[in-house]
Amino acid sequence: EAQVTQNPRYLITVTGKKLTVTCSQNMNHEYMSWYRQDPGLGLRQIYYSMNVEVTDKGDVPEGYKVSRKEKRNFPLILESPSPNQTSLYFCASATPGPQRRQYFGPGTRLTVT
Amino acid sequence: DQQVKQNSPSLSVQEGRISILNCDYTNSMFDYFLWYKKYPAEGPTFLISISSIKDKNEDGRFTVFLNKSAKHLSLHIVPSQPGDSAVYFCAALKTSYDKVIFGPGTSLSVIP
Repeated sequence: EAQVTQNPRYLITVTGKKLTVTCSQNMNHEYMSWYRQDPGLGLRQIYYSMNVEVTDKGDVPEGYKVSRKEKRNFPLILESPSPNQTSLYFCASATPGPQRRQYFGPGTRLTVT
Repeated sequence: DQQVKQNSPSLSVQEGRISILNCDYTNSMFDYFLWYKKYPAEGPTFLISISSIKDKNEDGRFTVFLNKSAKHLSLHIVPSQPGDSAVYFCAALKTSYDKVIFGPGTSLSVIP
């Protein structure tokens, strides 16, 4: 089954404690992306990757890091989480072609206290 | 400054009637527009898309209309069903610029 998986699904942590949210896709997509969803703001792109070792900033990259060492994996790293990073996070991968039709993971609910 | 706007946070429609969800954008250089549907506790799923060179695309009960001069697109769902109750996101992208811009979403409730 074609899918994007994320782990963990729920995470409560404290300010400053480094964390990683993993993302993996089994569709051999080159394009992957991370979003955060906040009330009234919709989905905002954090980082995206066009291919292995190629990453670029989205609209809200501050406080986040990513890496793309393998095509299937695209982890999101918060080196020093802060309460304003409390949000719902989605990883996505996209089909080739100009539309970039995206397949989303189930989401990770992060709370930073 | 939001480049993609969905000015109605919520919409209620009677089952069997038409649902019309609206989306406005500011960047005339967008090449593609996509609609995604999101149920609670799930990730968004692709629904339908339209290229900027077209003014209409239809897929079953779903039709998207694009008015480039007004920088406006709309999603029509006919007939609406209770299972259509979800949050709908409009998204836009310019193919030479790899970011995807999403609107804030519209929550649709279809009342049986």
